[in-house]
Amino acid sequence: AQRVTQPEKLLSVFKGAPVELKCNYSYSGSPELFWYVQYSRQRLQLLLRHISRESIKGFTADLNKGETSFHLKKPFAQEEDSAMYYCAPTPEAGTALIFGKGTTLSVSS
Amino acid sequence: EPEVTQTPSHQVTQMGQEVILRCVPISNHLYFYWYRQILGQKVEFLVSFYNNEISEKSEIFDDQFSVERPDGSNFTLKIRSTKLEDSAMYFCASSADRAVKNIQYFGAGTRLSVL
Repeated sequence: AQRVTQPEKLLSVFKGAPVELKCNYSYSGSPELFWYVQYSRQRLQLLLRHISRESIKGFTADLNKGETSFHLKKPFAQEEDSAMYYCAPTPEAGTALIFGKGTTLSVSS
Repeated sequence: EPEVTQTPSHQVTQMGQEVILRCVPISNHLYFYWYRQILGQKVEFLVSFYNNEISEKSEIFDDQFSVERPDGSNFTLKIRSTKLEDSAMYFCASSADRAVKNIQYFGAGTRLSVL
């Protein structure tokens, strides 16, 4: 069965601390992986996708096929990073984003 | 910057009534989607739509649900006979073309409350 797991419901860190939001997936084939973010009172939006291998707002995500993980990392968290983060794999030939339960990141000063 | 627009922002209805949730996708986009999020739960895929037909749907999208693109701009989700458990936030999304079909742009959502 296709499954995505975000084990932490809430992650609280201090400003300047490193952040890692975990995501594990269980999919056959080669899914495409995404992180979507929802800031307070804003709509869901794409943060980054594994295929582009880019850093957005200081965040990176490395696909580890052996561990079937796609953890989101940032070396120094900022208060404006506080938001809900969703890992969203997509099956190889699919159109649907399959969202994890999400992790709320809270960054305080 | 173009946005996906959803109306109304909040819809209250009685159980058993029909509701139509409306969406205006980004104008040159070709793929359209509906998702829902029950309070406290994760965002769940309902249906995707391309070239005037459903391309994929989830188990949630049963005979009570239908989608339509009645004209060149609107994309609607109809629930024929609402149940209490249909109460949720419904999100519309669109994406540009097949190459970037999973880069989806979301609307702000419609909160459906079934009483």
